[in-house]
Amino acid sequence: DAGVIQSPRHEVTEMGQEVTLRCKPISGHDYLFWYRQTMMRGLELLIYFNNNVPIDDSGMPEDRFSAKMPNASFSTLKIQPSEPRDSAVYFCASSLADNYNSPLHFGNGTRLTVT
Amino acid sequence: SQQGEEDPQALSIQEGENATMNCSYKTSINNLQWYRQNSGRGLVHLILIRSNEREKHSGRLRVTLDTSKKSSSLLITASRAADTASYFCATDENDYKLSFGAGTTVTVRA
Repeated sequence: DAGVIQSPRHEVTEMGQEVTLRCKPISGHDYLFWYRQTMMRGLELLIYFNNNVPIDDSGMPEDRFSAKMPNASFSTLKIQPSEPRDSAVYFCASSLADNYNSPLHFGNGTRLTVT
Repeated sequence: SQQGEEDPQALSIQEGENATMNCSYKTSINNLQWYRQNSGRGLVHLILIRSNEREKHSGRLRVTLDTSKKSSSLLITASRAADTASYFCATDENDYKLSFGAGTTVTVRA
């Protein structure tokens, strides 16, 4: 199994531009999570999906952030317009079942720099 | 919000020594998990301990859980240079959310 695949690995963009981060979860996993990691705030859960349906997006910082999961094998996190404070590493993770029983499998992240 | 808090923030040890780090959390949990993150990589799951378990082993890892004190510890025995990484505890809040602590950075000196 290739694991969770995220693209791109690095993204550098200018303030105001649209950014789209992509994630392919592990096949058969029911849950997909988007996290953001910064030195100041650590790992923050942004949103998670169950069977392609968004369950909890209370961690999404602003309306500039949106996430979709059109099918079981693909999810996107979009920031429009991007701002310098969005600079962070964004991780996608998937799990087979709920957190009571299953660990999260993380991708290697997308390092986003907004100048 | 961060449910778990790791202690210490950083730890430097000699190869072959043991490394111990602690995690405290605030609310009741169903399970507690430990993850490792190598520089520039995603988190990797190490071990899961359920609320009705007190101790669990996996290779050179030993995890304890004390629900009365709302705390857990991770012990890495006979450390190796490859154990250099950040270690995070994670607890389930409600509704299947997993909340991570700030992490302990472990450096193993050769």
